[in-house]
Amino acid sequence: GEDVEQSLFLSVREGDSSVINCTYTDSSSTYLYWYKQEPGAGLQLLTYIFSNMDMKQDQRLTVLLNKKDKHLSLRIADTQTGDSAIYFCAESLDSGYALNFGKGTSLLVTP
Amino acid sequence: NAGVTQTPKFQVLKTGQSMTLQCAQDMNHNSMYWYRQDPGMGLRLIYYSASEGTTDKGEVPNGYNVSRLNKREFSLRLESAAPSQTSVYFCASSPPRGNQPQHFGDGTRLSIL
Repeated sequence: GEDVEQSLFLSVREGDSSVINCTYTDSSSTYLYWYKQEPGAGLQLLTYIFSNMDMKQDQRLTVLLNKKDKHLSLRIADTQTGDSAIYFCAESLDSGYALNFGKGTSLLVTP
Repeated sequence: NAGVTQTPKFQVLKTGQSMTLQCAQDMNHNSMYWYRQDPGMGLRLIYYSASEGTTDKGEVPNGYNVSRLNKREFSLRLESAAPSQTSVYFCASSPPRGNQPQHFGDGTRLSIL
C-alpha cells in the first residue's frame, strides 16, 4: 500500500518537548495510532485518536490531527531519557483490521 | 497480565528448514495478526484472522501459512525457510470489530542461514 511517512530521527534534550510528525495516506482512516517500541521489545500502544477529533491529551502526550492535510503529530512534554525509543504512526485501513504503519521515528533524548 | 505471548523468542534456522511460530492471547480478542519487521521497512502484515475460523492474506503472505487453532492461538508456519525471511516477527490481537487498537507480543527474532 501507500506509505505512511515519518521522519527517521529526532534528538532532543531532557526536559524539552518532542514533536514527532506523521503524514498518513487514507483520508477515510477511522483511527490513527501511536506506538512506542523500546529496544528488543514489542510495540506498546501509546495513544490513539478517532478521526472526528482534532486533539487528544493524555498526561504528557498530546496528539494533533489535521484531516485536511492528513497530518498527525505526537507531542511529548518534559521528555525524559526513558522516552528514547522508536515511535510508530499507524492508520486503520478500509478492511477495519489491518494497520498501515510508518517506518518509525527514532527518538534520542540526551541529558 | 500475560497479554500476547510469542514463542520462541529467538530461533536460527538453515535454509529449507521448516518452523512454526506460536502466538497466544489471553484477552479474549477475536482478531489476531502476524507482522514482520525489517530494518527501514516498518511493520508489514503477513496474515490476519478476523475471527476464529477465518484467515486472510496481508501485504506479504508468500512463503508463509497460518492456522487459527482456536480463539486464543494463531500460529505462523514457514514451510521452507529462506534467508529473505530473516526478520523479527510480531503477533498482535485486537478486540471484536475492526478499527480497534492492536496489542503486540514481544516478537520472535528469526535468522535463516
